Amino acid sequence: EPEVTQTPSHQVTQMGQEVILRCVPISNHLYFYWYRQILGQKVEFLVSFYNNEISEKSEIFDDQFSVERPDGSNFTLKIRSTKLEDSAMYFCASCGLNPTEAFFGQGTRLTVV
Amino acid sequence: DQQVKQNSPSLSVQEGRISILNCDYTNSMFDYFLWYKKYPAEGPTFLISISSIKDKNEDGRFTVFLNKSAKHLSLHIVPSQPGDSAVYFCAASITGSARQLTFGSGTQLTVLP
Repeated sequence: EPEVTQTPSHQVTQMGQEVILRCVPISNHLYFYWYRQILGQKVEFLVSFYNNEISEKSEIFDDQFSVERPDGSNFTLKIRSTKLEDSAMYFCASCGLNPTEAFFGQGTRLTVV
Repeated sequence: DQQVKQNSPSLSVQEGRISILNCDYTNSMFDYFLWYKKYPAEGPTFLISISSIKDKNEDGRFTVFLNKSAKHLSLHIVPSQPGDSAVYFCAASITGSARQLTFGSGTQLTVLP
């Protein structure tokens, strides 16, 4: 069964450092998303990506965040200068041509120290 | 601004009985609703969905009911099994919005053997 895969599963970084979280969405999907879940809180939408550009983004997705689909298979989330409050589980998701249910990856736990 | 609310953080049910998880929403623009199940250290897994043109959708042991006038939906699991123990998230989306999901805070379901 096709699945969304994310790497790494756990990333520890120092405050102020840049991190890149990687995702390989399901191959024939067209809509791509990043969500995050701070420990004990709800899953929050960050950004959606369609047709090689951001289609929507939340207030959380400020200038420190960027997304890219560099090679037609990977979908990355970059945090330019990490803050302690960026510590969370980051989930990548993708949807097909008729976006109904999104399929999620297993997540990357980002710990900023 | 909690557009999707799950007011019960936890629910315990005996194996074989019915589990009923509830969700309320405030944004009348939402027209597609989904339930996801999440185990610790894993991404959300799609369970079942319903369009706003329906009031019920059934898939095996899982049934979702939608009451648009009350802006309320519920997930019924019958019979409940110990393997159903997980956090259940209600989510909602708007057609034409790239289907980004707005999640509730989740309900921890524990099915007791």
